[in-house]
Amino acid sequence: DSGVTQTPKHLITATGQRVTLRCSPRSGDLSVYWYQQSLDQGLQFLIQYYNGEERAKGNILERFSAQQFPDLHSELNLSSLELGDSALYFCASSVTGGRVVNEQFFGPGTRLTVL
Amino acid sequence: AQTVTQSQPEMSVQEAETVTLSCTYDTSENNYYLFWYKQPPSRQMILVIRQEAYKQQNATENRFSVNFQKAAKSFSLKISDSQLGDTAMYFCAFKGLDTDKLIFGTGTRLQVFP
Repeated sequence: DSGVTQTPKHLITATGQRVTLRCSPRSGDLSVYWYQQSLDQGLQFLIQYYNGEERAKGNILERFSAQQFPDLHSELNLSSLELGDSALYFCASSVTGGRVVNEQFFGPGTRLTVL
Repeated sequence: AQTVTQSQPEMSVQEAETVTLSCTYDTSENNYYLFWYKQPPSRQMILVIRQEAYKQQNATENRFSVNFQKAAKSFSLKISDSQLGDTAMYFCAFKGLDTDKLIFGTGTRLQVFP
């Protein structure tokens, strides 16, 4: 158990819908990262938040957005869902970030299926 | 832009044998970090080993070791005395010095046979 929690574990929805994925980082971790893993692919970085502020953005679609709340939990919002959005979405957290390499601890992931 | 390439989609090894997984990367940076992550059937991402580019000594963690060739931009993972529990997807990842994001390869599926 990495200490990072993600809810829900599984999500099945229809095209055009909107969903929210939730992540609680390890206690004390200020950075939260979101990654997308499509079927049999590597993880693609979506976005990073550090202590409530957006720090880095990857190839995140405009239909996707995220935020980190004062209690440091984070939510990833996916809207106007398409079939291609079906994937495993991972949240990871680390103590800080930047030049100090802190291990990113990954949550168990949320499996999103868009029908 | 940095890229990470894993050219072996699948590998298999017999229990107790040794196997090496390949990874190459492309970057113009001089200092960076490299990682190997394991993803078992449970889908949990688990850090196996990491290497700082400024360190010439290859990292080792018990049965896991790396062969880091900076000039060749190669970072292979050697698993000794393979165990059934090593069956998993293995991902190579890169982190630059001025960024927190990890750039992953497409993974190698390793099957350990009894």
